[in-house]
Amino acid sequence: RKEVEQDPGPFNVPEGATVAFNCTYSNSASQSFFWYRQDCRKEPKLLMSVYSSGNEDGRFTAQLNRASQYISLLIRDSKLSDSATYLCVVIRTGNQFYFGTGTSLTVIP
Amino acid sequence: EAGVAQSPRYKIIEKRQSVAFWCNPISGHATLYWYQQILGQGPKLLIQFQNNGVVDDSQLPKDRFSAERLKGVDSTLKIQPAKLEDSAVYLCASSLDPPGGTQYFGPGTRLLVL
Repeated sequence: RKEVEQDPGPFNVPEGATVAFNCTYSNSASQSFFWYRQDCRKEPKLLMSVYSSGNEDGRFTAQLNRASQYISLLIRDSKLSDSATYLCVVIRTGNQFYFGTGTSLTVIP
Repeated sequence: EAGVAQSPRYKIIEKRQSVAFWCNPISGHATLYWYQQILGQGPKLLIQFQNNGVVDDSQLPKDRFSAERLKGVDSTLKIQPAKLEDSAVYLCASSLDPPGGTQYFGPGTRLLVL
């Protein structure tokens, strides 16, 4: 079983729509959780951290459910510039990063 | 602040040839990672260094891949001999220790094996 699993999409949504991505992880000992963003032919960059209490950054909200080993990312009022691949990342002991396969989002005018 | 540097940016080789990639992490970052990203997939960790010691190389195909980080700064990743399935982007990243969730990636090296 993969460490991190994501729905690859693609998600094609109109501008202004709300879209949600989900991610599950297999190892209950995982310590930290993040969402990274990767633009086409570019390197991944940190988008935001994920906490059990929820974490909001403008139009982006991330949530962690440790009991279900489930992570989510919600994007409200989608912009064209949000088009990218969103990678779910789990960190285990020893600073080991595990990336999901990524979910592709295209925001359509 | 300078970011993670990688070279070359692109490389085309024939199968069974050898190739080497170079990475210079952000100054002061103790941890360095090499990832392989195949088209349509997320980055897959190949090897992780802490200073000049290997922390994790469990997913490195050691029959053909090797990596070193002499003096705990720059790192090289080598493939010898290359196979068609090695075609991918090879990403180098670095982080502080502990990373706090943030890895800083270089632009990657795009490898095509013909």
